[in-house]
Amino acid sequence: QKEVEQDPGPLSVPEGAIVSLNCTYSNSAFQYFMWYRQYSRKGPELLMYTYSSGNKEDGRFTAQVDKSSKYISLFIRDSQPSDSATYLCAMSGSARQLTFGSGTQLTVLP
Amino acid sequence: NAGVTQTPKFQVLKTGQSMTLQCAQDMNHNSMYWYRQDPGMGLRLIYYSASEGTTDKGEVPNGYNVSRLNKREFSLRLESAAPSQTSVYFCASNLQGESETQYFGPGTRLLVL
Repeated sequence: QKEVEQDPGPLSVPEGAIVSLNCTYSNSAFQYFMWYRQYSRKGPELLMYTYSSGNKEDGRFTAQVDKSSKYISLFIRDSQPSDSATYLCAMSGSARQLTFGSGTQLTVLP
Repeated sequence: NAGVTQTPKFQVLKTGQSMTLQCAQDMNHNSMYWYRQDPGMGLRLIYYSASEGTTDKGEVPNGYNVSRLNKREFSLRLESAAPSQTSVYFCASNLQGESETQYFGPGTRLLVL
């Protein structure tokens, strides 16, 4: 079993939809949680960063962490075609090395 | 401020050939990382360097060597390339101790025939 599980999709939604992306993990030592966005043939870029449990909002993006359930989510409101990309969750603990999910491919249709 | 740069962008090798992937960052970060990305596998850590002068193995180090040339540069060497090393390679850096977030380069696509 992988330490971090992420539904690979692909996920296709109409423009304006609310998108929910999720990851589950097994290592209770993880305390830093990130979401990266990766456009085709580009490097990952940091989208959201959260420490420990709770919610964080940045514009149309909201990241949620539920450490009791070992579950993290990224919500995208009013999705746009420019949001079409692969979304990678990543997390780390005291070892300070990132463990990545396999990524979810999202397409937002105009 | 270029961030993290990688060369080359694309390379084709024959089995058994060697090559070095170059990475440089201009953000004064102390830590640097090499990952490979394969379909369905996400990003897997090959080697990392927590600070200048130190390197450590990651999840998938076999078949690779690294050199932390100075604070800015971190190279990845394939001594005898194998088809299983066909992948996209990403270099990343961060200011460990200040932030967990890593900043990635644009990647090198490697095809080993």
